[in-house]
Amino acid sequence: AQTVTQSQPEMSVQEAETVTLSCTYDTSENNYYLFWYKQPPSRQMILVIRQEAYKQQNATENRFSVNFQKAAKSFSLKISDSQLGDTAMYFCAFMKSGGTSYGKLTFGQGTILTVHP
Amino acid sequence: EAGVAQSPRYKIIEKRQSVAFWCNPISGHATLYWYQQILGQGPKLLIQFQNNGVVDDSQLPKDRFSAERLKGVDSTLKIQPAKLEDSAVYLCASSPEIGGPTGELFFGEGSRLTVL
Repeated sequence: AQTVTQSQPEMSVQEAETVTLSCTYDTSENNYYLFWYKQPPSRQMILVIRQEAYKQQNATENRFSVNFQKAAKSFSLKISDSQLGDTAMYFCAFMKSGGTSYGKLTFGQGTILTVHP
Repeated sequence: EAGVAQSPRYKIIEKRQSVAFWCNPISGHATLYWYQQILGQGPKLLIQFQNNGVVDDSQLPKDRFSAERLKGVDSTLKIQPAKLEDSAVYLCASSPEIGGPTGELFFGEGSRLTVL
């Protein structure tokens, strides 16, 4: 079974600054996906960024980037130029690759990020 | 494109009562999921459907929870009888198909259940 651990229950950052959220995972699988999902207060969860384990290049999406260290089983999210709208709960998630495993996400406990003006 | 619709948004019941949640996925999405999110925790998968068939219900407490997806579109999740520990947000999500290239799930806003 897979486990996902987010060791930072809460983080805060000033607007326009950079913040990094940590995530570690444990798996015996070789092929898998890692995700960061964002859950704003009282709104639906949305995908922020996705990383395929077979890709060595770290994924980036505008102000969001990841640092994927496969050997260390680490998957951190960096948010640059933080904006007030980034305030949300952030979940790291793991999913095996292929077949009926698609969609079976294992989530971490979440990190509450607050962006201050 | 309309998103995943869920109702009701909020429900308060007493223990041992029953409750039902409804979900309408994004049109054309073959796969539908129900997740349970207890306060302070990450979501946990309860059941996964592909079209109207169950793919995975290994973490569904079958003595009290049931779910169906008739005609491969809408889905209903029922709890009977409810326990205090069932207080949570129930999230419905959909995705285009199993084996799709992205694995991205589209979530609804959730149904918050409080059991007194």
